[in-house]
Amino acid sequence: AQTVTQSQPEMSVQEAETVTLSCTYDTSESNYYLFWYKQPPSRQMILVIRQEAYKQQNATENRFSVNFQKAAKSFSLKISDSQLGDTAMYFCAFVTGNQFYFGTGTSLTVIP
Amino acid sequence: EAQVTQNPRYLITVTGKKLTVTCSQNMNHEYMSWYRQDPGLGLRQIYYSMNVEVTDKGDVPEGYKVSRKEKRNFPLILESPSPNQTSLYFCASSLLGTGWNEQFFGPGTRLTVL
Repeated sequence: AQTVTQSQPEMSVQEAETVTLSCTYDTSESNYYLFWYKQPPSRQMILVIRQEAYKQQNATENRFSVNFQKAAKSFSLKISDSQLGDTAMYFCAFVTGNQFYFGTGTSLTVIP
Repeated sequence: EAQVTQNPRYLITVTGKKLTVTCSQNMNHEYMSWYRQDPGLGLRQIYYSMNVEVTDKGDVPEGYKVSRKEKRNFPLILESPSPNQTSLYFCASSLLGTGWNEQFFGPGTRLTVL
Protein backbone atom coordinates (compact mmCIF):
# COMPACT_ATOMS: atom_id res chain seq x y z
CA ALA A 1 0.00 0.00 0.00
CA GLN A 2 1.10 3.52 -0.76
CA THR A 3 1.00 5.80 2.27
CA VAL A 4 2.14 9.26 3.35
CA THR A 5 2.63 10.07 7.03
CA GLN A 6 2.82 13.55 8.47
CA SER A 7 3.36 13.04 12.17
CA GLN A 8 3.00 16.68 13.25
CA PRO A 9 -0.67 17.72 13.09
CA GLU A 10 0.12 21.24 14.32
CA MET A 11 3.23 23.37 14.55
CA SER A 12 4.05 26.98 15.30
CA VAL A 13 7.07 29.16 14.61
CA GLN A 14 8.09 32.71 15.40
CA GLU A 15 8.23 35.10 12.50
CA ALA A 16 11.70 35.14 10.84
CA GLU A 17 12.64 31.78 12.39
CA THR A 18 13.13 28.45 10.63
CA VAL A 19 10.79 25.48 10.86
CA THR A 20 10.91 21.95 9.48
CA LEU A 21 7.85 19.89 8.64
CA SER A 22 8.33 16.14 8.49
CA CYS A 23 6.96 13.66 6.00
CA THR A 24 7.59 9.98 5.46
CA TYR A 25 6.11 7.83 2.75
CA ASP A 26 5.92 4.22 1.80
CA THR A 27 5.99 2.80 -1.69
CA SER A 28 7.57 -0.17 -3.36
CA GLU A 29 7.89 1.77 -6.61
CA SER A 30 11.23 3.22 -7.67
CA ASN A 31 9.88 5.91 -9.97
CA TYR A 32 7.89 8.67 -8.28
CA TYR A 33 7.70 12.38 -7.66
CA LEU A 34 7.21 14.17 -4.35
CA PHE A 35 5.45 17.43 -3.62
CA TRP A 36 4.65 19.84 -0.86
CA TYR A 37 1.42 21.79 -1.22
CA LYS A 38 0.25 24.73 0.88
CA GLN A 39 -3.40 25.39 1.71
CA PRO A 40 -3.99 28.82 3.28
CA PRO A 41 -7.32 29.72 4.91
CA SER A 42 -8.67 30.53 1.44
CA ARG A 43 -8.57 26.72 0.83
CA GLN A 44 -6.71 27.17 -2.45
CA MET A 45 -4.07 24.47 -2.98
CA ILE A 46 -0.71 25.95 -3.97
CA LEU A 47 2.41 24.04 -5.01
CA VAL A 48 5.37 24.84 -2.77
CA ILE A 49 8.06 22.54 -4.08
CA ARG A 50 8.55 19.44 -6.25
CA GLN A 51 11.21 16.73 -6.10
CA GLU A 52 11.99 14.01 -8.61
CA ALA A 53 12.89 10.82 -6.77
CA TYR A 54 15.69 9.91 -9.16
CA LYS A 55 17.47 13.20 -8.43
CA GLN A 56 19.71 13.16 -5.37
CA GLN A 57 19.97 16.93 -5.18
CA ASN A 58 17.45 18.48 -2.82
CA ALA A 59 14.99 20.89 -4.40
CA THR A 60 14.96 24.55 -3.35
CA GLU A 61 12.49 27.34 -4.04
CA ASN A 62 13.48 30.63 -2.43
CA ARG A 63 12.87 30.22 1.34
CA PHE A 64 11.62 26.65 0.93
CA SER A 65 13.89 23.64 0.70
CA VAL A 66 13.55 19.91 1.19
CA ASN A 67 15.64 17.22 2.78
CA PHE A 68 15.03 14.17 0.63
CA GLN A 69 16.33 10.90 2.03
CA LYS A 70 15.30 8.24 -0.48
CA ALA A 71 16.54 5.23 1.45
CA ALA A 72 14.69 6.38 4.56
CA LYS A 73 11.66 7.44 2.48
CA SER A 74 11.70 10.81 4.14
CA PHE A 75 10.83 14.16 2.55
CA SER A 76 10.90 17.04 5.04
CA LEU A 77 10.20 20.68 4.22
CA LYS A 78 12.27 23.50 5.68
CA ILE A 79 10.89 27.01 5.70
CA SER A 80 13.48 29.69 6.40
CA ASP A 81 12.76 33.26 7.52
CA SER A 82 9.12 32.37 8.24
CA GLN A 83 6.57 34.99 7.27
CA LEU A 84 3.00 35.57 8.42
CA GLY A 85 1.80 34.56 4.97
CA ASP A 86 3.26 31.09 5.52
CA THR A 87 0.46 30.34 7.97
CA ALA A 88 -1.38 27.47 6.29
CA MET A 89 -1.98 23.75 6.16
CA TYR A 90 0.87 21.94 4.44
CA PHE A 91 0.39 18.65 2.63
CA CYS A 92 3.08 16.23 1.57
CA ALA A 93 2.23 14.10 -1.49
CA PHE A 94 3.73 11.73 -4.00
CA VAL A 95 2.68 10.33 -7.34
CA THR A 96 3.55 6.94 -8.71
CA GLY A 97 1.96 5.19 -11.64
CA ASN A 98 -0.72 7.75 -12.35
CA GLN A 99 -2.10 8.04 -8.84
CA PHE A 100 -1.51 10.69 -6.18
CA TYR A 101 -1.23 10.09 -2.44
CA PHE A 102 -1.47 12.84 0.14
CA GLY A 103 -0.65 13.01 3.83
CA THR A 104 -3.05 14.24 6.49
CA GLY A 105 -1.42 17.64 6.68
CA THR A 106 0.43 19.84 9.17
CA SER A 107 -1.19 23.06 10.29
CA LEU A 108 1.53 25.71 10.60
CA THR A 109 1.00 28.97 12.45
CA VAL A 110 3.54 31.78 12.16
CA ILE A 111 3.50 33.92 15.30
CA PRO A 112 4.29 37.63 14.98
CA GLU B 1 -6.03 33.49 -17.15
CA ALA B 2 -4.99 29.86 -16.72
CA GLN B 3 -7.35 28.25 -14.25
CA VAL B 4 -9.43 25.31 -13.09
CA THR B 5 -13.04 26.18 -12.36
CA GLN B 6 -15.57 24.21 -10.34
CA ASN B 7 -19.30 24.66 -9.97
CA PRO B 8 -21.08 24.95 -7.71
CA ARG B 9 -18.79 26.23 -4.96
CA TYR B 10 -21.28 25.34 -2.25
CA LEU B 11 -24.08 22.79 -2.35
CA ILE B 12 -26.50 21.49 0.24
CA THR B 13 -28.59 18.54 -0.88
CA VAL B 14 -30.55 15.61 0.50
CA THR B 15 -29.80 11.92 0.52
CA GLY B 16 -30.46 10.21 -2.80
CA LYS B 17 -30.83 13.29 -4.99
CA LYS B 18 -28.45 12.95 -7.95
CA LEU B 19 -25.98 15.77 -8.43
CA THR B 20 -23.11 16.75 -10.69
CA VAL B 21 -20.13 18.93 -9.83
CA THR B 22 -18.56 20.39 -12.93
CA CYS B 23 -14.84 20.92 -13.49
CA SER B 24 -13.26 22.73 -16.40
CA GLN B 25 -9.68 23.73 -17.22
CA ASN B 26 -8.39 26.05 -19.93
CA MET B 27 -4.77 24.90 -20.01
CA ASN B 28 -5.12 21.97 -22.43
CA HIS B 29 -4.00 19.58 -19.69
CA GLU B 30 -4.27 15.87 -20.33
CA TYR B 31 -4.45 14.75 -16.69
CA MET B 32 -7.45 15.62 -14.54
CA SER B 33 -8.40 14.35 -11.12
CA TRP B 34 -10.95 14.60 -8.32
CA TYR B 35 -10.12 14.62 -4.60
CA ARG B 36 -12.08 14.83 -1.42
CA GLN B 37 -10.68 16.51 1.67
CA ASP B 38 -11.88 15.51 5.13
CA PRO B 39 -10.55 16.65 8.53
CA GLY B 40 -7.80 14.37 9.75
CA LEU B 41 -7.71 12.43 6.49
CA GLY B 42 -6.04 14.87 4.13
CA LEU B 43 -6.83 14.63 0.43
CA ARG B 44 -7.85 11.35 -1.09
CA GLN B 45 -8.06 10.73 -4.80
CA ILE B 46 -11.47 9.66 -6.10
CA TYR B 47 -10.94 9.28 -9.85
CA TYR B 48 -8.43 10.46 -12.40
CA SER B 49 -8.25 10.72 -16.16
CA MET B 50 -5.19 10.53 -18.37
CA ASN B 51 -7.01 11.92 -21.42
CA VAL B 52 -10.33 11.93 -23.21
CA GLU B 53 -12.30 8.72 -22.63
CA VAL B 54 -9.58 7.39 -20.29
CA THR B 55 -10.56 7.30 -16.62
CA ASP B 56 -9.47 5.20 -13.66
CA LYS B 57 -10.28 4.74 -9.99
CA GLY B 58 -8.34 6.36 -7.23
CA ASP B 59 -8.38 5.35 -3.59
CA VAL B 60 -12.01 6.16 -2.78
CA PRO B 61 -14.19 5.74 -5.90
CA GLU B 62 -17.24 4.15 -4.27
CA GLY B 63 -20.39 6.19 -4.77
CA TYR B 64 -18.91 8.40 -7.50
CA LYS B 65 -18.85 8.42 -11.29
CA VAL B 66 -16.88 10.49 -13.75
CA SER B 67 -16.72 11.01 -17.49
CA ARG B 68 -14.20 12.65 -19.82
CA LYS B 69 -15.89 13.36 -23.11
CA GLU B 70 -13.94 16.54 -23.76
CA LYS B 71 -10.38 17.35 -22.80
CA ARG B 72 -11.29 20.44 -20.82
CA ASN B 73 -14.15 18.99 -18.73
CA PHE B 74 -14.21 16.33 -16.04
CA PRO B 75 -17.53 16.25 -14.15
CA LEU B 76 -18.01 14.35 -10.89
CA ILE B 77 -21.37 12.62 -10.56
CA LEU B 78 -22.98 11.43 -7.34
CA GLU B 79 -25.88 9.22 -8.44
CA SER B 80 -27.31 8.74 -4.95
CA PRO B 81 -25.50 10.95 -2.44
CA SER B 82 -25.27 9.87 1.17
CA PRO B 83 -24.27 11.84 4.30
CA ASN B 84 -20.82 10.22 4.33
CA GLN B 85 -20.11 12.04 1.06
CA THR B 86 -20.31 15.37 2.86
CA SER B 87 -16.87 16.80 2.16
CA LEU B 88 -14.75 19.42 0.43
CA TYR B 89 -14.08 18.40 -3.17
CA PHE B 90 -11.22 19.53 -5.37
CA CYS B 91 -10.69 19.12 -9.06
CA ALA B 92 -7.14 19.36 -10.41
CA SER B 93 -5.34 19.20 -13.72
CA SER B 94 -1.79 18.67 -14.87
CA LEU B 95 0.21 18.73 -18.07
CA LEU B 96 1.68 15.37 -18.92
CA GLY B 97 5.22 15.19 -20.24
CA THR B 98 8.49 13.69 -19.15
CA GLY B 99 7.73 13.24 -15.50
CA TRP B 100 5.07 14.81 -13.33
CA ASN B 101 4.43 18.52 -13.33
CA GLU B 102 2.49 20.72 -10.96
CA GLN B 103 -1.17 19.96 -10.41
CA PHE B 104 -3.38 23.04 -10.67
CA PHE B 105 -6.32 22.90 -8.30
CA GLY B 106 -9.78 24.38 -8.55
CA PRO B 107 -11.20 26.50 -5.70
CA GLY B 108 -13.07 23.58 -4.13
CA THR B 109 -16.73 22.62 -3.74
CA ARG B 110 -18.19 22.32 -0.26
CA LEU B 111 -20.87 19.61 -0.38
CA THR B 112 -23.27 18.86 2.44
CA VAL B 113 -25.61 15.86 2.17
CA LEU B 114 -28.44 15.86 4.69
